[in-house]
Amino acid sequence: GQSLEQPSEVTAVEGAIVQINCTYQTSGFYGLSWYQQHDGGAPTFLSYNALDGLEETGRFSSFLSRSDSYGYLLLQELQMKDSASYFCAVEEDSSYKLIFGSGTRLLVRP
Amino acid sequence: GAVVSQHPSWVICKSGTSVKIECRSLDFQATTMFWYRQFPKQSLMLMATSNEGSKATYEQGVEKDKFLINHASLTLSTLTVTSAHPEDSSFYICSATVLPGNTIYFGEGSWLTVV
Repeated sequence: GQSLEQPSEVTAVEGAIVQINCTYQTSGFYGLSWYQQHDGGAPTFLSYNALDGLEETGRFSSFLSRSDSYGYLLLQELQMKDSASYFCAVEEDSSYKLIFGSGTRLLVRP
Repeated sequence: GAVVSQHPSWVICKSGTSVKIECRSLDFQATTMFWYRQFPKQSLMLMATSNEGSKATYEQGVEKDKFLINHASLTLSTLTVTSAHPEDSSFYICSATVLPGNTIYFGEGSWLTVV
């Protein structure tokens, strides 16, 4: 079957760094994406990894290890507005169809 | 600005009625769109793949006769929830991909409440 596991909740203070892990088990693998979703809103694309290694986009970075079926999202210089849910999502093939993880609720405190 | 637009954002309907949700790609053609459903505090679950000019492909466990998908043009896919029941109340979101590239964009989502 398919499964993507993430921690359910993470709390951090403003200005800190937080890492959200994602382990996946899928029938195929084409790429791993990360999305941010605020309450009541739609997911917003953050980062994408198709190959092993680190991708950096401003304060957000994402890492992938295909051999370990593992990835993480790194958020630096946390701001209050970063409080949201974060989802990892796997594309099993080139169809752009996404399988989402369970989601991690990030709470940033002053 | 948004590249994928959904309408309506909010809809309340009576149990037993049908409701249609539209998903439009703005300024680009989308031969394939996807429909997801998200219950409160849960993850997004893929419902179906909407293919322009052909039948939609439904994920296991999704009733194709209840969730009718029509992709009649390269910029519009519609999801019709037929004979809605309170358990169909959810957040429905569509997505499409702008080519070239592999960024997947989501619509703003549509909140459906069945009373």
